Parts: sequence; C-alpha cells; structure tokens
Amino acid sequence: GAVVSQHPSRVICKSGTSVKIECRSLDFQATTMFWYRQFPKQSLMLMATSNEGSKATYEQGVEKDKFLINHASLTLSTLTVTSAHPEDSSFYICSAPGEGQQETQYFGPGTRLLVL
Amino acid sequence: GENVEQHPSTLSVQEGDSAVIKCTYSDSASNYFPWYKQELGKRPQLIIDIRSNVGEKKDQRIAVTLNKTAKHFSLHITETQPEDSAVYFCAATHGGYQKVTFGTGTKLQVIP
Repeated sequence: GAVVSQHPSRVICKSGTSVKIECRSLDFQATTMFWYRQFPKQSLMLMATSNEGSKATYEQGVEKDKFLINHASLTLSTLTVTSAHPEDSSFYICSAPGEGQQETQYFGPGTRLLVL
Repeated sequence: GENVEQHPSTLSVQEGDSAVIKCTYSDSASNYFPWYKQELGKRPQLIIDIRSNVGEKKDQRIAVTLNKTAKHFSLHITETQPEDSAVYFCAATHGGYQKVTFGTGTKLQVIP
C-alpha cells in the first residue's frame, strides 16, 4: 500500500526559531498533499493544500507567511513554521491522496512540535 | 464550505455491546465519507468508507450507513472489544484531490 513518511517525528525548539517538517510519499507520486494541525483532544484541522509546482492554498485563518509550504517534487512537501511560539505547539500531520483511488488519503505518522 | 458534526463526543460501552456514532454534513456535493480510527499520538487509520451512490457498507464487525437526503451517516461497531477503544472521526469530501473535512471526534471506551 501507499506509504507516507514524516520527519522529524518530534521536535522541541525555542520560541522564535523556525522548524521544518518534511512529508514524503515513499512509493507513489503526490501532486497534492494536505497539511493538518491537531491540538490535544481536538480534531484534525486542515491548514493548507500543497500543490507541486504551484503555490499552496491556505485555509481561512492560517497565516501563509508563518506556515511556509514548499512542494518541491512529486514526492516531497515541506512545512516550515517560522518564528514559532508556544501556541504553535501541536501535532502536525500530512496526507496525500492515493494514485489509484484518489479519495483515499494516506496519512503520515505526524510530527509532535513543542515550542518552549 | 463543508461542516461536519459528530455525536457523541464520548461513548462508553461494555465489551460485546454495539457502538453507534453519528455524523451530519452540510455540503450536498460531498460524495465520499471515510471513517478513521486514531490512537493516541498516532496517525488516523481508515477503517471503512462509503460513497454517495451506496446506502450501506459492511466489513466484518463494522458497518456504515448513509442517508443522502438527510445528509447524515453513521458508524456501527458490533461485538465491541477493548482494542476498539480509540478516537473515531468521520469525514466528508468531494473526492479526488479535494480536501477532507473531519468531524469533531468520538472517544470510544470499551469496558472489559
């Protein structure tokens, strides 16, 4: 089956620093990837849609200058949290639709970000 | 945009009993409805899905029903087991490369 990886799995950083999270489709190509944020005991909230070769589409209320998305290739999307603050601490998950059954989303294992 | 509501937020059942989780959606264009199980700190796992041209789908102890007219769909788990304990999310999407909107989640606890 399709596999999506994320790196790192967890990161702790100081307030004001930037953190990059990678999302890779390991055995299939993904022209589109989705980035979600999940706070404790809450649902997954879509942050943005990452499109290979073009600008990402951000959901309402998500600051595009703070959450930089780059979809550099058909297998890699990166999310950079710039000038991270404690309120950015969350579980970040990416997903990619499968090549065959495009409705099926394949999720990465998630990245736990803690900003001190 | 799409809005998905999910009830109940928590559900406790005795092992062997059935559990039912209900969701409603707002966008009549949504045509694909997956259900996910998420364990603490892990990624969501697809457990069953249904497309809008089908009213019911079953996979062993898990079944999903869809009422397009009323815009609601439900997850049914029979003969619950302790390993069914997790958070369950319903979702709705237009399919293809369209974004997925998740429900608010139901924490299911199966008591041995």
